[in-house]
Amino acid sequence: GAVVSQHPSRVICKSGTSVKIECRSLDFQATTMFWYRQFPKQSLMLMATSNEGSKATYEQGVEKDKFLINHASLTLSTLTVTSAHPEDSSFYICSARAGGETYEQYFGPGTRLTVT
Amino acid sequence: RKEVEQDPGPFNVPEGATVAFNCTYSNSASQSFFWYRQDCRKEPKLLMSVYSSGNEDGRFTAQLNRASQYISLLIRDSKLSDSATYLCVVILPPGYSTLTFGKGTMLLVSP
Repeated sequence: GAVVSQHPSRVICKSGTSVKIECRSLDFQATTMFWYRQFPKQSLMLMATSNEGSKATYEQGVEKDKFLINHASLTLSTLTVTSAHPEDSSFYICSARAGGETYEQYFGPGTRLTVT
Repeated sequence: RKEVEQDPGPFNVPEGATVAFNCTYSNSASQSFFWYRQDCRKEPKLLMSVYSSGNEDGRFTAQLNRASQYISLLIRDSKLSDSATYLCVVILPPGYSTLTFGKGTMLLVSP
């Protein structure tokens, strides 16, 4: 199956700093990428959908100025958590879809963010 | 009402047991249905799609009841390696993009 990577896999940062997470599709071109967040024992919650070359669409309740998404190429999307707070500590997972009328999304391995 | 609801679990079963997971969804216009598997601290992975006629993949059987808005997953002859959280996933209209995840049901298979 298609491969999606995320970097870093784990990050610890201090409150008030910004953290960038990269999501790459390694063997296919991803016209659409998705960013999810998962708190312990909770379901994955979609944060935003990004299409290459256009602005991301954020889900209700997700602050676009806090969670900056850039999808500059067909193989790379980045999520920057700005001015991180302890409540932003979570498991962030990206997924990528090749495009066309296909439902299949390929998930990255996730990034565990801890804000101290 | 939550869009996708699952048994809270965890389910503790011995090896070889048969276990069934249930899931209900609230939007009757939901188009596609899946079961994903998520290991601890890992990303979810597609286990199988769920078709209206029901479908089977080895020890796994998925069924869909659109009238009751109910999806099930049956695992026969449980293996230790089946221990994971099983996520019910629904695609809500209008498109192919939005996966809506249930909270998941944890399965623990013991020797």
